[in-house]
Amino acid sequence: GAGVSQSPRYKVAKRGQDVALRCDPISGHVSLFWYQQALGQGPEFLTYFQNEAQLDKSGLPSDRFFAERPEGSVSTLKIQRTQKEDSAVYLCASSLGVEQFFGPGTRLTVL
Amino acid sequence: GDSVTQMEGPVTLSEEAFLTINCTYTATGYPSLFWYVQYPGEGLQLLLKATKADDKGSNKGFEATYRKETTSFHLEKGSVQVSDSAVYFCALSDATGRRALTFGSGTRLQVQP
Repeated sequence: GAGVSQSPRYKVAKRGQDVALRCDPISGHVSLFWYQQALGQGPEFLTYFQNEAQLDKSGLPSDRFFAERPEGSVSTLKIQRTQKEDSAVYLCASSLGVEQFFGPGTRLTVL
Repeated sequence: GDSVTQMEGPVTLSEEAFLTINCTYTATGYPSLFWYVQYPGEGLQLLLKATKADDKGSNKGFEATYRKETTSFHLEKGSVQVSDSAVYFCALSDATGRRALTFGSGTRLQVQP
C-alpha cells in the first residue's frame, strides 16, 4: 500500500533561488499538513488543507512561503528567494481522522 | 498556546533496561496525545496514542497513560532492545477541528548491547 510520498528527497539551493516541494498524500485522505523540522528539533506546523481549501496558514514563517493543493490531492510547498534559515526538513502528513501519516520529508539545504 | 516539554537526551541504556521518557504538556481543552518515533533514516511513525484522560496507549511493548491531573504522557517500556534506538517525539493535537500536531523537541534513545 502506498504511504505518503515526497519529492525530491534532497534539495540543495543557492540563496535567492525558488524551490518547490511536492507531497503525494495517501489516496482519499482529506486533511494534509506541512511541517518544518530544524536540525535537532521537533516538527513545527506550517499549514493545513482540508481537501483543496487552505484552512490555516498561521505557521508559514514569511510571505516567501506559499502552499497549494488545487485538486484536493497533491500539494506543493513553494519557497521563494530562499534564505539560509530556510534549511530544514519539510514534512508532509495526511490524515482521515486523528492519526497523521508522515512522508519521509524533503531535506532542503540553502547555501 | 499549546506546548509540549519532554526530557532532553540522549538517553543511553543497556539492553533489557527499563525506559521512561517524560512528557508534559500545556493545552486548552482536551487534546489528544501521541508518541511518534523516528528511526535512523526513516520518517516519523506513530507509536501510540491516547485521546482522553486515563486512556493508556500501547504498542510494541511501549505504554503511556494520559494523566490530565498532572498534564503528563510519559513513555515507558519494561525492557528495551537495541532496535528501539531512535528519536522519540511527544505530541498533542488541539481539540479543535484543525488537529495540527504540536511536538516536543524529541529525545534520542541509544540502547547498547
